[in-house]
Amino acid sequence: AQSVSQHNHHVILSEAASLELGCNYSYGGTVNLFWYVQYPGQHLQLLLKYFSGDPLVKGIKGFEAEFIKSKFSFNLRKPSVQWSDTAEYFCAVKNQYNTDKLIFGTGTRLQVFP
Amino acid sequence: DGGITQSPKYLFRKEGQNVTLSCEQNLNHDAMYWYRQDPGQGLRLIYYSQIVNDFQKGDIAEGYSVSREKKESFPLTVTSAQKNPTAFYLCASSYRAGEQYFGPGTRLTVT
Repeated sequence: AQSVSQHNHHVILSEAASLELGCNYSYGGTVNLFWYVQYPGQHLQLLLKYFSGDPLVKGIKGFEAEFIKSKFSFNLRKPSVQWSDTAEYFCAVKNQYNTDKLIFGTGTRLQVFP
Repeated sequence: DGGITQSPKYLFRKEGQNVTLSCEQNLNHDAMYWYRQDPGQGLRLIYYSQIVNDFQKGDIAEGYSVSREKKESFPLTVTSAQKNPTAFYLCASSYRAGEQYFGPGTRLTVT
């Protein structure tokens, strides 16, 4: 069965530190990839998405992610985090044969301290 | 103002009672989804519907039921057969094959 792995369950950083959150998926075919963020007390919202084209995707709030097909990865990055980035981050994947079904990773809780 | 509404925000029920969670969207999306979020487990798909009057089971459908009589509405019933109903429930919607948009969620506590 298709699955998504987020190996970092809890990440603690100081402001201005660089961030990279790992995401790996298990599916050999064509995929669409997403990162969602859930700020404390807020809706789950889309940070960025990859459907096709340039594998380096830029999203909101200075986040970016790189799709590396050979590694089945879609890691999220931000060069300099802010306290307001404290949130839970979810990677999600859907495959070409079931474009309505989104598979989520277990999430990474990011805490940023001033 | 377009979006997805879920009500209520908090819901408390006694064990053995069925409870229905509301989800409404005015985004004109065809597809709607119900997820359950538990700490450390991410989001797990309960049911989804691609068109009115049709829906499919997700990965954890046991103990839940849904209906899709209108495009805008996709209520979820948590039945007494669900063994661990206490959770945070999220509704989402999308255009077919598009990204999903999420509602604010309903936190259900069953005691």
